[in-house]
Amino acid sequence: EAQVTQNPRYLITVTGKKLTVTCSQNMNHEYMSWYRQDPGLGLRQIYYSMNVEVTDKGDVPEGYKVSRKEKRNFPLILESPSPNQTSLYFCASSLTQGFSPLHFGNGTRLTVT
Amino acid sequence: SQQGEEDPQALSIQEGENATMNCSYKTSINNLQWYRQNSGRGLVHLILIRSNEREKHSGRLRVTLDTSKKSSSLLITASRAADTASYFCATASGAGSYQLTFGKGTKLSVIP
Repeated sequence: EAQVTQNPRYLITVTGKKLTVTCSQNMNHEYMSWYRQDPGLGLRQIYYSMNVEVTDKGDVPEGYKVSRKEKRNFPLILESPSPNQTSLYFCASSLTQGFSPLHFGNGTRLTVT
Repeated sequence: SQQGEEDPQALSIQEGENATMNCSYKTSINNLQWYRQNSGRGLVHLILIRSNEREKHSGRLRVTLDTSKKSSSLLITASRAADTASYFCATASGAGSYQLTFGKGTKLSVIP
């Protein structure tokens, strides 16, 4: 089954404790992206990747890192999480950037205390 | 940066009625896409309409695009309780880099 898999689904952590949210897709998509969703603000893009070893900042990249060492994986790293990063995070992938539908993971609800 | 803006923010209708949601955007686009999100879940792609298309259908969904007014509408006919969800438009625009930008969504409630 074609899917984007994010883990974990829920995560509660403390300020400053490094964490990684994993994202994997099995559709051989070139394009992958991370979004955060906050009430009243909609979906905002954090980082995206056009292909292996090619990543770029979205609208809200501060406090996040990503890497794309393999085509299928695109982890999101929070080196020193802060409470304002409490949010619902989504990973998504598509065949091409902007021209084809995005496939979303089921989300990771992160709480930073 | 937010490009698409949905209207209304919330919509409540009876089962069997039609639901219409609108999306306005600011700059020229390559295509416009509509997505559905059930509470707290990942978004699901519904339909993509290219800038040279005016109307597109998929089952009970009808999407129109008016590039002169920079607006699109999503019509769901004969709504069902299962259509209760948030609906987002997303526009692909940019010079050589077609980033997809999402609006804030319309929350649709279909009352049985």
